[in-house]
Amino acid sequence: QQQVKQSPQSLIVQKGGISIINCAYENTAFDYFPWYQQFPGKGPALLIAIRPDVSEKKEGRFTISFNKSAKQFSLHIMDSQPGDSATYFCAASNTGGGNKLTFGTGTQLKVEL
Amino acid sequence: NAGVMQNPRHLVRRRGQEARLRCSPMKGHSHVYWYRQLPEEGLKFMVYLQKENIIDESGMPKERFSAEFPKEGPSILRIQQVVRGDSAAYFCASSPPIRVGGYGYTFGSGTRLTVV
Repeated sequence: QQQVKQSPQSLIVQKGGISIINCAYENTAFDYFPWYQQFPGKGPALLIAIRPDVSEKKEGRFTISFNKSAKQFSLHIMDSQPGDSATYFCAASNTGGGNKLTFGTGTQLKVEL
Repeated sequence: NAGVMQNPRHLVRRRGQEARLRCSPMKGHSHVYWYRQLPEEGLKFMVYLQKENIIDESGMPKERFSAEFPKEGPSILRIQQVVRGDSAAYFCASSPPIRVGGYGYTFGSGTRLTVV
């Protein structure tokens, strides 16, 4: 019940295209859903996050869509750029239970020219 | 304001030796979390600490692993008698208290442990 399932494992998108990464969770106690971006040799960096009281959050080219009834959330990267090539992790936590993050397995995104 | 500082960046240990990984949280952050990342995998929670207290160690292996966050100084993740399976990247993260909006973590750049 603590799992967060992430897909696809890898993704190749043309420059200017839309990158979409999906995650699903089972634990209904999760109430915080962040996305992290990780470049090789670096630590994960918080990209954008959402709480379950909203269905969508947008920050620049990055949008989280959240479907509480389906227990799914997704990251959309609009106008994808080569500099977006990285590994993306979704995560979830129960902030009332100590804010321990459960991570998805990651999506390796490559944006081609 | 420096970010989360981890050292060393790379650590090589022979089987049976001890590994000590250090983490200095961001200024003003009182919560520290340790995660382990195996190659091609996501991050797995290990332990959550506040100053002088272990809050949640449900992800820590029962033997050989320990963590502390003393009143003064960095948080330490200690692995005794390392084995090849301990080879991984170990990330530390910090956050302010949740009551002041501390949901999001800031991660350090990690310590890459190689056991030979």
